[in-house]
Amino acid sequence: GAGVSQTPSNKVTEKGKYVELRCDPISGHTALYWYRQSLGQGPEFLIYFQGTGAADDSGLPNDRFFAVRPEGSVSTLKIQRTERGDSAVYLCASSLTAGPHTEAFFGQGTRLTVV
Amino acid sequence: TQLLEQSPQFLSIQEGENLTVYCNSSSVFSSLQWYRQEPGEGPVLLVTVVTGGEVKKLKRLTFQFGDARKDSSLHITAAQPGDTGLYLCAVVLLYNTDKLIFGTGTRLQVFP
Repeated sequence: GAGVSQTPSNKVTEKGKYVELRCDPISGHTALYWYRQSLGQGPEFLIYFQGTGAADDSGLPNDRFFAVRPEGSVSTLKIQRTERGDSAVYLCASSLTAGPHTEAFFGQGTRLTVV
Repeated sequence: TQLLEQSPQFLSIQEGENLTVYCNSSSVFSSLQWYRQEPGEGPVLLVTVVTGGEVKKLKRLTFQFGDARKDSSLHITAAQPGDTGLYLCAVVLLYNTDKLIFGTGTRLQVFP
């Protein structure tokens, strides 16, 4: 399909383990965003890429969280030493460019459960 | 403190009723977007409002950007069960790094 693809759709992991969440954006979209969402709440900004570089990572909660986008396309969000409080839906979005009138297209999210 | 506060947080109504949800901030924005999110899906863009005082209509949905470009409202006429979802306002922080920030959300449930 031509939309944003996130894998896996669901991930259950044990406390203390390492996880990787993958986002495959729409082809040609230069901007890519990661958000974390708790039930019934608005998405919480984590990090935003413009091309290969992280333009803004101010939303990453601590140094256990890291994201990369090495070739300016696929991105991976990495969480080390997972904690139960990391449980949430992680959303990825991409847009053609950055800016105020740009539409962000979202994937269906990865539901992460830390037990 | 949230940059974009939405109210109400929850709204449960019967089919056919009208409703308004609000998005408020103390900051001024060049534009504001509204998204709708259904369970198990990502948010989908409904509209972008740009000019202070601007009103946009999308079928039974009416969006207004405040004159001072600090707030916005979404009015739904004759709500239908298909309108059920999480309504989110969002802005791009131009004076920062162009990141897209979302509001706290309004969860709407429309019963048949």
